[in-house]
Amino acid sequence: QVQLQQWGAGLVKPSETLSLTCDVYGGSFNDNSWSWIRQPPGQGLEWIGEVDYGGGTNYNPSLKSRLTISLDTSNRQFSLKLSSVTAADTAVYYCARKGRAVVINYYFYFMDVWASGTTVTVSS
Amino acid sequence: DIQLTQSPSFLSASVGDRVTITCRASQDINSYLAWYQQKPGKAPQLLIYAASTLQSGVPSRFSGSGFGTKFTLTITSLQPDDFASYYCQQLYGSPLTFGQGTNLEIK
Repeated sequence: QVQLQQWGAGLVKPSETLSLTCDVYGGSFNDNSWSWIRQPPGQGLEWIGEVDYGGGTNYNPSLKSRLTISLDTSNRQFSLKLSSVTAADTAVYYCARKGRAVVINYYFYFMDVWASGTTVTVSS
Repeated sequence: DIQLTQSPSFLSASVGDRVTITCRASQDINSYLAWYQQKPGKAPQLLIYAASTLQSGVPSRFSGSGFGTKFTLTITSLQPDDFASYYCQQLYGSPLTFGQGTNLEIK
């Protein structure tokens, strides 16, 4: 089955770029979409954005101007870059697979495989 | 953006109880709703998708229902492992959004 392992810097200085990568092990890579979600300390979940198997992206408008999500099919990984970070970007960041299933002839989507998360702190 | 409002935000219950969490959407989202369980320091885990379809491997004491703007997650006969936070998520429109969460605690 699919497993995700994410990695990247846990401490980023204000105004710099946060970079995380998620490696995909097992299962199919080329027919899924891949997502990033974050969770500030003590708060709820926020969807950041996603990349599909063709490299097409869909971003949260609240982050779009600072965000790049990309796909590397040869290495079975996808990445997140968030520029000009501030303390408000401090959070646990998760990568996840956006799976899909057919229910009564319609496709339904969900986040069915998650990595364990990376705590990213923005501080000088 | 489609807003999801969960109620209650906090819930105290005992082992063996039946509990229901409600998720209301700010507009019609058909059945494009998922539920997740999250334990402290862990990633969320998918429980239900398409409003009422149980994810493989999830115990049958979990069930979901609803359509349009009102959805519910029900847990029958609470087990010690069920005390956690629960989130709904809509996958109808972009940006995808989550409810604010419900913390289920042991009474």
